[in-house]
Amino acid sequence: EPEVTQTPSHQVTQMGQEVILRCVPISNHLYFYWYRQILGQKVEFLVSFYNNEISEKSEIFDDQFSVERPDGSNFTLKIRSTKLEDSAMYFCASRPREVRTEAFFGQGTRLTVV
Amino acid sequence: AQKVTQAQTEISVVEKEDVTLDCVYETRDTTYYLFWYKQPPSGELVFLIRRNSFDEQNEISGRYSWNFQKSTSSFNFTITASQVVDSAVYFCALSETYNTDKLIFGTGTRLQVFP
Repeated sequence: EPEVTQTPSHQVTQMGQEVILRCVPISNHLYFYWYRQILGQKVEFLVSFYNNEISEKSEIFDDQFSVERPDGSNFTLKIRSTKLEDSAMYFCASRPREVRTEAFFGQGTRLTVV
Repeated sequence: AQKVTQAQTEISVVEKEDVTLDCVYETRDTTYYLFWYKQPPSGELVFLIRRNSFDEQNEISGRYSWNFQKSTSSFNFTITASQVVDSAVYFCALSETYNTDKLIFGTGTRLQVFP
């Protein structure tokens, strides 16, 4: 069964460093998302991406964050200068063209900023 | 404003008991979608069900059933004859349709099923 794949599964980085989280969405999907979950808390929307541009972003998604679909298969989330409070599980999700089908989530990347 | 409330933070049951997880939502949209996701200890989010606001029929899938009541803005999830493998955090989520398709998650209910 097709699945959303995220790499790495766990990344440790020093405060102030840039990180890139990578995702390979399901191949025929058109809508892409990043969510994050701070440990023990709820899952929060960061950004949605369609037709090679951001369609919506949350207040969390400030200038330190950016997304890119560089080659038609990967979907990346970059955090330019990480802060301690960026430590969280980051989930990539994708869904196909059909209206309001469910989003399929990757297994997540746990980011730890030290 | 849109909001999803899962008032039960944690529920513990013994195997074979039935358990209901509550979900109450708020939205101003007349068309919206509701979801349940399961997050097992391994951490991934597993899709369980999607309902749209026009379909109030209850649904049963094996030991799982869902009760959608628009009148009370609730979308409750029942597991019948719970098993240890059902132990997970369960999230209810809402997706509105006007100008957005993001998922708004509740805070989750941690279900522990003991043998």
